[in-house]
Amino acid sequence: DQQVKQNSPSLSVQEGRISILNCDYTNSMFDYFLWYKKYPAEGPTFLISISSIKDKNEDGRFTVFLNKSAKHLSLHIVPSQPGDSAVYFCAAKRGAGNQFYFGTGTSLTVIP
Amino acid sequence: NAGVTQTPKFQVLKTGQSMTLQCAQDMNHNSMYWYRQDPGMGLRLIYYSASEGTTDKGEVPNGYNVSRLNKREFSLRLESAAPSQTSVYFCASSDRPWGSDTQYFGPGTRLTVL
Repeated sequence: DQQVKQNSPSLSVQEGRISILNCDYTNSMFDYFLWYKKYPAEGPTFLISISSIKDKNEDGRFTVFLNKSAKHLSLHIVPSQPGDSAVYFCAAKRGAGNQFYFGTGTSLTVIP
Repeated sequence: NAGVTQTPKFQVLKTGQSMTLQCAQDMNHNSMYWYRQDPGMGLRLIYYSASEGTTDKGEVPNGYNVSRLNKREFSLRLESAAPSQTSVYFCASSDRPWGSDTQYFGPGTRLTVL
């Protein structure tokens, strides 16, 4: 049973506009969330994280929002650049000593 | 700094054959992990090693064995490959097990079992 879901397999956005990638989770005990970015033929690389004590975390062009009541997080990329074209995975875990659960990924294409 | 390296990059096996996927990290990390990625399934944890000398099952361990050879190396073995094990395999490492530290991933091994 998929505990972390990314319901949009793909997303296309014009360069300079905002990209919004969404992630939903079912386990209310999850308290730490990450986004990874993956280029073809490479492994995922860490992008940004957020713990459940926050509802927002920013790092440059990337902002992650967490809505605990809705069990939803989103990644905003502003402005989007062609180099952002990649597959984005969200991941979640509960407490210390527990494994991460990954979503299925969203393929972002930023059109020049 | 190579980070996490995996060999081989590609492999084709026949059903019933065995093979070992190799993983090494040069970041002096304590914890290492093996994941598989299948279409529509995301990354799923096969086995992990929280520290040198320990290994534990993850979400999908059946059909696999692992060895934490030393702090640097963590191998994944398929004793009798099955078509259901066709997947992309990623090795990862982190400084602490399941902490807020990020995991660093290798480039992956694409395995096809015929």
